[in-house]
Amino acid sequence: KNEVEQSPQNLTAQEGEFITINCSYSVGISALHWLQQHPGGGIVSLFMLSSGKKKHGRLIATINIQEKHSSLHITASHPRDSAVYICAAGRSQGNLIFGKGTKLSVKP
Amino acid sequence: SAVISQKPSRDICQRGTSLTIQCQVDSQVTMMFWYRQQPGQSLTLIATANQGSEATYESGFVIDKFPISRPNLTFSTLTVSNMSPEDSSIYLCSVDVLAWDASYGYTFGSGTRLTVV
Repeated sequence: KNEVEQSPQNLTAQEGEFITINCSYSVGISALHWLQQHPGGGIVSLFMLSSGKKKHGRLIATINIQEKHSSLHITASHPRDSAVYICAAGRSQGNLIFGKGTKLSVKP
Repeated sequence: SAVISQKPSRDICQRGTSLTIQCQVDSQVTMMFWYRQQPGQSLTLIATANQGSEATYESGFVIDKFPISRPNLTFSTLTVSNMSPEDSSIYLCSVDVLAWDASYGYTFGSGTRLTVV
């Protein structure tokens, strides 16, 4: 069993839909990260969470420390949101343990 | 936040040869991380590079295959040695820096897409 599990693995949505990606982890973390990877391979950090909820524009990330679960929500999805979204557990040693990612495709 | 310049962005290499990947950061950072992403897989940590000391390798990765240099606080290289097709992956460097909201976040290089033929 992977230490960081994401679901779904693939997600297709119509423009404007509300999207949720889930992440469960089994390791101790210093923080939980949500990342966005574009087709060329580049990765952008979206959120770093240690508790509660954060919001950037149309993106919302929540975490439940007791349940070791986090969600990433995208409101009013747009084709430019199409990317792979990766959940990663931040360790006290400084490195990250990554989930396998959720490939999101938003159709116009 | 920090900006990382990683190069090359992609390369196609013959088996048995070596490729050196460079990462330049626009600020001084203590630790730099090197990751590999094999096709269809999640990113895996190869090693942590600290300035002035040998890199710390994760299980399954060895210095002879992936030598790392860290000559100063803004630069690091990863070499993929004696390449085989199984080394075809995306390689990324990363640093943890003080983020915009005063928390520690991660910045990644743009990645090197390596194909070994």
